[in-house]
Amino acid sequence: DIQMTQSPSSLSASVGDRVTITCRASQSISSYLNWYQQKPGKAPKLLIYAASSLQSGVPSRFSGSGSGTDFTLTISSLQPEDFATYYCQQSYSTITFGPGTRLEIK
Amino acid sequence: EVQLVESGGGLVKPGGSLRLSCAASGFTFSNAWMSWVRQAPGKGLEWVGRIKSKTDGGTTNYAAPVKGRFTISRDDSKNTLYLQMNSLKTEDTAVYYCITDLSWFDYWGQGTLVTVSS
Repeated sequence: DIQMTQSPSSLSASVGDRVTITCRASQSISSYLNWYQQKPGKAPKLLIYAASSLQSGVPSRFSGSGSGTDFTLTISSLQPEDFATYYCQQSYSTITFGPGTRLEIK
Repeated sequence: EVQLVESGGGLVKPGGSLRLSCAASGFTFSNAWMSWVRQAPGKGLEWVGRIKSKTDGGTTNYAAPVKGRFTISRDDSKNTLYLQMNSLKTEDTAVYYCITDLSWFDYWGQGTLVTVSS
């Protein structure tokens, strides 16, 4: 199976900050990479699909980029509701998720 | 509005069985590929398996940890997805989510908790 890693594993930031989370695949996955946000006690929510396509209804401060093995999720200006855990997921082969990045308030 | 409502979770002893259901509405269920994803308490997300639409063959795929023990099925006449879990292990303890599967997971149910413990 393709292994997914994320960095950092946790991150402290302030409202208004620009934040970047990185996801790396153990082999090339083209653009078969999706990003999710999960808040405590809730189901995950799709943010970005196919590496860079913004899911309908998701604020434009979220963006995704990358292809091959290296991908990034960027939040351009953090809002209070953005503090959550973020997961990447590849769908190139047997589906696997990254371990998550916990974004906390500084 | 798309709705996915899981049911059937609960406490089961190791070696036991449980069947989860997911009632779908708000979209054409028969055309949809569906997946199950689970999340152990305090842990990350783990894909369990997928079933394709009957028009795409209705085939299933499973993650290695559950292959041979879990079976995904669907009843398109009832707009319902199932997850039959046999030979349950303590490590299967998790919240199980039913999800629409476009290769990305766009709609998620609220999840149902399965606890495997003696």
